[in-house]
Amino acid sequence: GQQVMQIPQYQHVQEGEDFTTYCNSSTTLSNIQWYKQRPGGHPVFLIQLVKSGEVKKQKRLTFQFGEAKKNSSLHITATQTTDVGTYFCARNNNAGNMLTFGGGTRLMVKP
Amino acid sequence: DAGVTQSPTHLIKTRGQQVTLRCSPKSGHDTVSWYQQALGQGPQFIFQYYEEEERQRGNFPDRFSGHQFPNYSSELNVNALLLGDSALYLCASSFYVRYEQYFGPGTRLTVT
Repeated sequence: GQQVMQIPQYQHVQEGEDFTTYCNSSTTLSNIQWYKQRPGGHPVFLIQLVKSGEVKKQKRLTFQFGEAKKNSSLHITATQTTDVGTYFCARNNNAGNMLTFGGGTRLMVKP
Repeated sequence: DAGVTQSPTHLIKTRGQQVTLRCSPKSGHDTVSWYQQALGQGPQFIFQYYEEEERQRGNFPDRFSGHQFPNYSSELNVNALLLGDSALYLCASSFYVRYEQYFGPGTRLTVT
């Protein structure tokens, strides 16, 4: 099926350390979206990547889309306690009307 | 500008009962999608409504049905509730189908 796999499932870091989560697909992705869900909250859209090899930055967050459009990553530099939450990648089907989420990576930051 | 709103916030139902959840999309959005999120898992796509029609459906049984009204608001109906239907039900709206989705706060459904 059109699933996306995320690793790791959990990550504990010390505040100030870097963090990376990976998203992989066995089939080519038309685009990939990233969402953040705080504990007890709802998913919040972060970014959409469309082009092969695309790299986008949002302050301390760097998003990459693989050259083959089968994988993506989210890297956070110098984590802060406000980064705590679960980060999801999500793929759209070809028609763009069905979003399939990965299992998420839960980030915990020790102050 | 109000974001996506959902009602009710929490709901407790008994097995076999029926439930209706409601969603109002963000102003300017015309597409509504519904998701089921079990504890510790990613949201699972149920279906999407655009122009008052179901445009795409995920792997959910016919017990799950929906509706979109002319003002773009939407309802999710679940019949013959099972214990396994206990989850957070999220509504997300977007402008047409391909853009980022804005999620509502969700409805926490507990089936006993």
